[in-house]
Amino acid sequence: QKEVEQNSGPLSVPEGAIASLNCTYSDRGSQSFFWYRQYSGKSPELIMSIYSNGDKEDGRFTAQLNKASQYVSLLIRDSQPSDSATYLCAVNKEETGANNLFFGTGTRLTVIP
Amino acid sequence: EAGVAQSPRYKIIEKRQSVAFWCNPISGHATLYWYQQILGQGPKLLIQFQNNGVVDDSQLPKDRFSAERLKGVDSTLKIQPAKLEDSAVYLCASSLEWGTEESYEQYFGPGTRLTVT
Repeated sequence: QKEVEQNSGPLSVPEGAIASLNCTYSDRGSQSFFWYRQYSGKSPELIMSIYSNGDKEDGRFTAQLNKASQYVSLLIRDSQPSDSATYLCAVNKEETGANNLFFGTGTRLTVIP
Repeated sequence: EAGVAQSPRYKIIEKRQSVAFWCNPISGHATLYWYQQILGQGPKLLIQFQNNGVVDDSQLPKDRFSAERLKGVDSTLKIQPAKLEDSAVYLCASSLEWGTEESYEQYFGPGTRLTVT
């Protein structure tokens, strides 16, 4: 079983719609959860972090965490063409004092004008 | 605030040759990470430094990969000899020294795209 699983997509939504990206993780001991955005040919950019159950909002982005279900999601409201990118879910797993981050394979999002 | 710096941005070498990558983390970031990202996959951690000490290198192929972080700031990652399967983007990231939630947040440099022919 992979540490972090995401639907690879592609996910296509019309401009102005809500894009919903999902991620599940295998280790119940995971404490920290992150969403990175990666444009084609660029490096990952941190857009959201979440550490406790519930929702966390930042502008058009909302991260949702459910530790009981081992599930993390990212909602993008009022999607824009500039949101078209691959979204990587990452989960922190502390092991022997190391801050290890495990990434999913990413979900490619296309926002259609 | 300047971000993570990496060089070179691109490198093409033949198999069995050696190559080195350089990284300068965000000022004040004690923890430095090297990742390998193969096309279509998420980044995979190779090695993690806290200041100038190695915290985790369990996924580093030590027969051909080596890394150092002298003086606790800049770091170099070396591959010798390179294989075709080493073609990937090598990403450097940094974070604050552990102790707060913010210290778990890792910030990436632009990466070095390596092609081994």
